[in-house]
Amino acid sequence: KAGVTQTPRYLIKTRGQQVTLSCSPISGHRSVSWYQQTPGQGLQFLFEYFSETQRNKGNFPGRFSGRQFSNSRSEMNVSTLELGDSALYLCASSVGISSGSVNEQFFGPGTRLTVL
Amino acid sequence: AQSVTQLDSQVPVFEEAPVELRCNYSSSVSVYLFWYVQYPNQGLQLLLKYLSGSTLVKGINGFEAEFNKSQTSFHLRKPSVHISDTAEYFCAVRSGGSYIPTFGRGTSLIVHP
Repeated sequence: KAGVTQTPRYLIKTRGQQVTLSCSPISGHRSVSWYQQTPGQGLQFLFEYFSETQRNKGNFPGRFSGRQFSNSRSEMNVSTLELGDSALYLCASSVGISSGSVNEQFFGPGTRLTVL
Repeated sequence: AQSVTQLDSQVPVFEEAPVELRCNYSSSVSVYLFWYVQYPNQGLQLLLKYLSGSTLVKGINGFEAEFNKSQTSFHLRKPSVHISDTAEYFCAVRSGGSYIPTFGRGTSLIVHP
């Protein structure tokens, strides 16, 4: 089974621009979660999508948004980029059906975003 | 609410020595516990997980962890480390009623020759 893939792997943008990152989950997984990882804040949860609906949301401003398509692929968008948005953005997929099950997450390699 | 504390931000150790990375959690309900490893410029890879049953869990690359409910801990151990174990290690907890795990801040394991 193919793992979680993220594109692009590296991205350089300037302040004020917007960016879209893509994530393809493992086949059969319906939940996709996004995390921001920085040296200072560690791993911070952005949001989770399940069956095209945002099911959980972290504490990030509205400039961060996402969506999920019918094939479970997901995109996240950051508008009006700020220097502080420079980070590794990780996507994780899981089966996601029941909160009472193990529901372990499988991570992609991440997209390294640099904002200049 | 669930939370995770990784007590050491950095653990230096010599090759072939044993190592323990500490993790404490808090949750008001039953939990699932995980350890992930992250190598430079890569995503997180699952090392092991605790679901229920035996409190000693064995994972990949010779790692194991012990679930201690009374101390709310899930420490990761390896009896003899290699240079290639140098990486960032994350402990995570997920309560039975939640879809999303909470991650610790990570512990950087640095193995010296």
